[in-house]
Amino acid sequence: TQLLEQSPQFLSIQEGENLTVYCNSSSVFSSLQWYRQEPGEGPVLLVTVVTGGEVKKLKRLTFQFGDARKDSSLHITAAQPGDTGLYLCAGEEGGSEKLVFGKGTKLTVNP
Amino acid sequence: GAVVSQHPSWVICKSGTSVKIECRSLDFQATTMFWYRQFPKQSLMLMATSNEGSKATYEQGVEKDKFLINHASLTLSTLTVTSAHPEDSSFYICSAGQGAGNQPQHFGDGTRLSIL
Repeated sequence: TQLLEQSPQFLSIQEGENLTVYCNSSSVFSSLQWYRQEPGEGPVLLVTVVTGGEVKKLKRLTFQFGDARKDSSLHITAAQPGDTGLYLCAGEEGGSEKLVFGKGTKLTVNP
Repeated sequence: GAVVSQHPSWVICKSGTSVKIECRSLDFQATTMFWYRQFPKQSLMLMATSNEGSKATYEQGVEKDKFLINHASLTLSTLTVTSAHPEDSSFYICSAGQGAGNQPQHFGDGTRLSIL
């Protein structure tokens, strides 16, 4: 089974700061997805990256897929309290639809 | 967009009880559904892959006789936790896929299971 190492596990920052969350693996994934999960709810998809080197932007969020499709990052610019939540990366094992989740990053943005 | 409905959202029951959780894809057909378990402050761990019309595929360490999965139609999969015990208390989440080819999975809102 492929593994995804996600870091940092916890992050507490002030409103307006920038942050980056990383997901790393020694395995290649056919795609990588980023989710945000609120307490007591299921994960909500933010973005899917498929192509090595791909960069996608979602307002203040920038997602990048590594050239070798083994790692990914999520960068948030000028974080806001509304960004508070659990961010999860998940890699799709080639051809199987199965997702391997990272351990998650609990982000707290203080006003 | 694609919606996955999970029911019930919260269950509290006595030890030894069997509990059934339903996962429905409301506006699309899902040949494959996935069942995850999430313990507090931890990530999602895949338990099994549910395939319509065939037996589920369980991940290593997951007891198939303990967690019964039925995928009777293209829009419904059920997970039954048999003879539940306190250690089975967790947040169970299902997702439905629309097929391979980088189509995202759509997740239900989860079921909080508490065994007393």
